[in-house]
Amino acid sequence: DTGVSQDPRHKITKRGQNVTFRCDPISEHNRLYWYRQTLGQGPEFLTYFQNEAQLEKSRLLSDRFSAERPKGSFSTLEIQRTEQGDSAMYLCASSPGSGNTIYFGEGSWLTVV
Amino acid sequence: AQSVTQLDSHVSVSEGTPVLLRCNYSSSYSPSLFWYVQHPNKGLQLLLKYTSAATLVKGINGFEAEFKKSETSFHLTKPSAHMSDAAEYFCVVSDYGSSNTGKLIFGQGTTLQVKP
Repeated sequence: DTGVSQDPRHKITKRGQNVTFRCDPISEHNRLYWYRQTLGQGPEFLTYFQNEAQLEKSRLLSDRFSAERPKGSFSTLEIQRTEQGDSAMYLCASSPGSGNTIYFGEGSWLTVV
Repeated sequence: AQSVTQLDSHVSVSEGTPVLLRCNYSSSYSPSLFWYVQHPNKGLQLLLKYTSAATLVKGINGFEAEFKKSETSFHLTKPSAHMSDAAEYFCVVSDYGSSNTGKLIFGQGTTLQVKP
């Protein structure tokens, strides 16, 4: 299967701990997106990369959040000093370019206790 | 700014009966519109997309949607529901604003329940 891959699929962490999620996009997709989805809501845009450049960040992405895509392939999303409000599913998506279909991974569930 | 409004948070139909999931959009220019489906504990799957070609768009699994500019609507329909259609459905608009990121803006979702 060569879809968008996310790891880990589930993470339970204590408040105040740091967590990191990894996303492997579809090969040769230069656009990569991160979204956050809470229960009963639609996904909300967090950030966008074109190759290794982070070109847009939502105001939802507080200073505790950082995303990278160092070589223009995989990406990581790190949350520092987690809070209970960070509990959500974090979705990664990729696309080959403007106007093309955006493909989503299955998401990484975060539970902060 | 782009936005979509899904008019029903929950729709319940009997198996074999038609499905209608309603969506209105707001866009300052010609929009690209999508419907995605999300099954429990699964990722989002694209059902269909409208990108200013034919106004009636056919998607996977027998779903289709009609773009109506005069009504700013993009409702999703299926002639006959199947039990496997039970899922969460999202109406989505693509934001191709000045930054041209193509990021997607999702509605709140409609839960489709299919009764036997």
